[in-house]
Amino acid sequence: DIVMTQSPDSLAVSLGERATINCKSSQNLLYSSNNNNYLAWYQQRPGQPPKMLIYWASARDSGVPDRFSGSGSGTDFTLTISSLQAEDVAVYYCQQYYSTPLTFGGGTKVEIK
Amino acid sequence: QVQLQESGPGLVQPSQTLSLTCTVSGGSISSGDYYWSWIRQHPGKGLEWIGYIYYSGSTYYNPSLKSRATISVDTSKNQFSLKLNTVTAADTAVYYCARAPFRGTNSRGPFDYWGQGTLVTVSS
Repeated sequence: DIVMTQSPDSLAVSLGERATINCKSSQNLLYSSNNNNYLAWYQQRPGQPPKMLIYWASARDSGVPDRFSGSGSGTDFTLTISSLQAEDVAVYYCQQYYSTPLTFGGGTKVEIK
Repeated sequence: QVQLQESGPGLVQPSQTLSLTCTVSGGSISSGDYYWSWIRQHPGKGLEWIGYIYYSGSTYYNPSLKSRATISVDTSKNQFSLKLNTVTAADTAVYYCARAPFRGTNSRGPFDYWGQGTLVTVSS
């Protein structure tokens, strides 16, 4: 199984400041034949299902604000919120869809400082 | 706009079988464009993929469920279902259905649409 490790477990950021979440996979998620990283990021607000923000490690889903960005390749990935807004308070998960069983990171809780 | 909606009992007795159904609207399961998944979230915890099914009936499961899970599809009703047998308190969780784009045999995209989730409690 591919193990997804997120850090930190939680972080508190002031409104308007940058939040950075890291995700490390135990195996390479870059598929050489199409040069895509099989890595997605999700946002889960309290009481809500997860919502996809980023796919292919850096492609922003339709309607996702451009303050959210994804980067990285291979085994190391980052989700950045460039200017934290109140509505961004949530738990964020990374997920690999490179191989089954599909696996998620443990989550990072983002709060307002 | 595609929507997924889980339904089923909210309380299941230990050692019994948990049964849930996901009804898909706004799109056809038979299109062949997606895998249809079940994912669960233990209270206050992270996400665990249970398995998925293709419209043809092909299935893939998480080995961690030790063969207790069975996913089936009913294309005539545009639904897919989960059965989890011999449940214990450790199976208490919010269960989500979700879809992932089909990209080839056992190759897929991320989960782009999710249901709202349904809490299933295992207790006598």
